[in-house]
Amino acid sequence: NAGVTQTPKFQVLKTGQSMTLQCAQDMNHEYMSWYRQDPGMGLRLIHYSVGAGITDQGEVPNGYNVSRSTTEDFPLRLLSAAPSQTSVYFCASSYRTEGNTEAFFGQGTRLTVV
Amino acid sequence: DAKTTQPPSMDCAEGRAANLPCNHSTISGNEYVYWYRQIHSQGPQYIIHGLKNNETNEMASLIITEDRKSSTLILPHATLRDTAVYYCIVRVAGTGRRALTFGSGTRLQVQP
Repeated sequence: NAGVTQTPKFQVLKTGQSMTLQCAQDMNHEYMSWYRQDPGMGLRLIHYSVGAGITDQGEVPNGYNVSRSTTEDFPLRLLSAAPSQTSVYFCASSYRTEGNTEAFFGQGTRLTVV
Repeated sequence: DAKTTQPPSMDCAEGRAANLPCNHSTISGNEYVYWYRQIHSQGPQYIIHGLKNNETNEMASLIITEDRKSSTLILPHATLRDTAVYYCIVRVAGTGRRALTFGSGTRLQVQP
């Protein structure tokens, strides 16, 4: 198993450009989520999905779109990049069960908007 | 989910036990205590979780006080590779919204 795979690892964008951060998991997890981490801060939830076809907003959703057409993939789209979106982005997945299971994180995408 | 309070930083000598405290005085009866760590800006890594009993796994031990208002993560023999930011997270069990709420964590520096 590869776990949670994020691409690209690094990206530089110009203000106003759009792009999609990719996230894929091969563990058949129902739950996936996107976080951003600004320097010296904890992670903040952007969007999440409890299964294919179902998404919802987290704490800081503005400027980002998501979709979940398959169980495996959960891409994050930046519509019109702004310098305030310079951050490290982490994707995570876990089982959607009534028990408590650990979340698996990708290695992150480091995004710089100039 | 209940709010947690952790010291911003701690030091520990290599080979000694590292004891990381967490206060969660507003925890509810159905909320679990989770610990994650983040090594040098990598993705967070799950360590351990518990409800009210003490828990141990190959990485660490989790001690939860009887009133559940605080807990301690113990790394029994800290190594340089344990230098990381450690996050204590409290989360309700069995909710459809399974996101984790991260605070600022404790930056543990293991000294040689």
